[in-house]
Amino acid sequence: SQKIEQNSEALNIQEGKTATLTCNYTNYSPAYLQWYRQDPGRGPVFLLLIRENEKEKRKERLKVTFDTTLKQSLFHITASQPADSATYLCALGYNTDKLIFGTGTRLQVFP
Amino acid sequence: KAGVTQTPRYLIKTRGQQVTLSCSPISGHRSVSWYQQTPGQGLQFLFEYFSETQRNKGNFPGRFSGRQFSNSRSEMNVSTLELGDSALYLCASSLGTGLSYNEQFFGPGTRLTVL
Repeated sequence: SQKIEQNSEALNIQEGKTATLTCNYTNYSPAYLQWYRQDPGRGPVFLLLIRENEKEKRKERLKVTFDTTLKQSLFHITASQPADSATYLCALGYNTDKLIFGTGTRLQVFP
Repeated sequence: KAGVTQTPRYLIKTRGQQVTLSCSPISGHRSVSWYQQTPGQGLQFLFEYFSETQRNKGNFPGRFSGRQFSNSRSEMNVSTLELGDSALYLCASSLGTGLSYNEQFFGPGTRLTVL
């Protein structure tokens, strides 16, 4: 079965630096890859979607890369702020109807 | 536009009881999905409904069931509750079907505790 790996340990970085979160998967490459942000006590919020034929996608301070050879997606937040502190989830989309979520990585940005 | 709403927000039940959770999607959204979130397993897909039909089902026992009404509102039912059912139950809606490529809009969740 498909396995998704996101760093279970929290990522701590200083304000202003670039945060890089990793999403690795085994077996089959997804057609789509989505990234979500989740704050404590709230539901996930969609951030970005990247397709398998796209290498990179950007939105404001966010950047996602997708490498089907390495079976990896990287999620970058540039000029990070304390307000970016949250758990970030990657989700792999297969065919049309299958979306599998990773367990998420907690990001802590300190001043 | 109002977001996805879920009721109740918190629920405490005892083993063996049953529970019904409710979800109202964003106006105009016809796809509603349900997920179970626990610290160890993360977000696990339960099922998806579109136009009152179940289109997808995850690997959960038959004690977990759902339905969708003509106004796209959805309910999820868990019968014969077990301790392991304690979790955050999240509902998500999207404009069209196609979980893999459609942005999912999540509600705040219902925190279920089974004693």
